[in-house]
Amino acid sequence: DGGITQSPKYLFRKEGQNVTLSCEQNLNHDAMYWYRQDPGQGLRLIYYSQIVNDFQKGDIAEGYSVSREKKESFPLTVTSAQKNPTAFYLCATGHPRDTEAFFGQGTRLTVV
Amino acid sequence: DAKTTQPPSMDCAEGRAANLPCNHSTISGNEYVYWYRQIHSQGPQYIIHGLKNNETNEMASLIITEDRKSSTLILPHATLRDTAVYYCIVRDRGAGNNRKLIWGLGTSLAVNP
Repeated sequence: DGGITQSPKYLFRKEGQNVTLSCEQNLNHDAMYWYRQDPGQGLRLIYYSQIVNDFQKGDIAEGYSVSREKKESFPLTVTSAQKNPTAFYLCATGHPRDTEAFFGQGTRLTVV
Repeated sequence: DAKTTQPPSMDCAEGRAANLPCNHSTISGNEYVYWYRQIHSQGPQYIIHGLKNNETNEMASLIITEDRKSSTLILPHATLRDTAVYYCIVRDRGAGNNRKLIWGLGTSLAVNP
């Protein structure tokens, strides 16, 4: 539904491990985005990509990495360098000249 | 920092209109007002956007003041499923300004039976 699939919905990892969150879309949108949301806070931009093989850092990119090898896919890796990785992660898509109007259902990552 | 100010919470009776205010006193001429909502533990959902004229769609109406310094989102007949956090965001839709929305804390709307 909505054409954006984030998986899994819940993810648990041990501290010090890298983990990759999946985001796939079939909306044919050029732009894709990753946000992080912490309890009681608004969304903060981690990385975004406006076209295949290109991506830019957002406001809180430290400790994260992304790739954009296909238009449909924009995976986010949370590395061990991220000091507070436990959060709700949201992927969004849109047209480059339009707003990122479409969101996935999110992945809740818990690092123990 | 977010460029909008919203009350942190509001209540509304089921079946009544919910009027959610937003102040954006520093809005510039080419910035649009967008509204999203987020139901608990889900991704945000786009509701409506506008520049200067009032807008209406199947979900809501958006009333923007003549000076554009504030707006109101109206849910005409609120249901329990409208309980969510509502975000008001201003954004420039011009070229080169497409990369992000700046999210504030929104208004937590509780629709009561």
